[in-house]
Amino acid sequence: GDSVTQMEGPVTLSEEAFLTINCTYTATGYPSLFWYVQYPGEGLQLLLKATKADDKGSNKGFEATYRKETTSFHLEKGSVQVSDSAVYFCALSGNSGGYQKVTFGIGTKLQVIP
Amino acid sequence: DAGVIQSPRHEVTEMGQEVTLRCKPISGHDYLFWYRQTMMRGLELLIYFNNNVPIDDSGMPEDRFSAKMPNASFSTLKIQPSEPRDSAVYFCASRPLGQGLNSPLHFGNGTRLTVT
Repeated sequence: GDSVTQMEGPVTLSEEAFLTINCTYTATGYPSLFWYVQYPGEGLQLLLKATKADDKGSNKGFEATYRKETTSFHLEKGSVQVSDSAVYFCALSGNSGGYQKVTFGIGTKLQVIP
Repeated sequence: DAGVIQSPRHEVTEMGQEVTLRCKPISGHDYLFWYRQTMMRGLELLIYFNNNVPIDDSGMPEDRFSAKMPNASFSTLKIQPSEPRDSAVYFCASRPLGQGLNSPLHFGNGTRLTVT
């Protein structure tokens, strides 16, 4: 079945540092890929998405490129801020038995220190 | 749009009691998901519905858990009897069918359940 593997955290960075959170996936067919962010005490919310190979999703300075050849969707940001401290989830949306199923990674906690 | 609404936000109960969590999805969304989040296991899919019909309940831990969706605007997740290991944050999410696989999930703010 479908699966998502992302790096375990926590990741601690200084403000303005470069961020990479790795994500790889296993899926049949052509899934769509997502990054969600969860702030303390809240539900997950969509950060960005990519729907086909070589697409780049971007939002709030975050970027991720859908790499079919390496089955990866790594999240990057050039300069993180304290306000980026949150848990980040990689996810894929694929077809399973004729229905759409969403599979999440375990989540990576990011802490940005001033 | 008010988003996905879950109630209660917090629930504290004693072992053996029945617990009912509630969810109101976004109007017009065809899919509804129930997830459980713990430190040990991360985000687990419990069950999901399409047009009020349960599609996959393989994530429901055991018979103590049940979920219903009597209409398009309401769903419940019930635990009877509750146990301390059920303590977690339970999320409901909904999703429109229209964009297919490209549609993101919309999450509620969750119910934090503590069973003592």
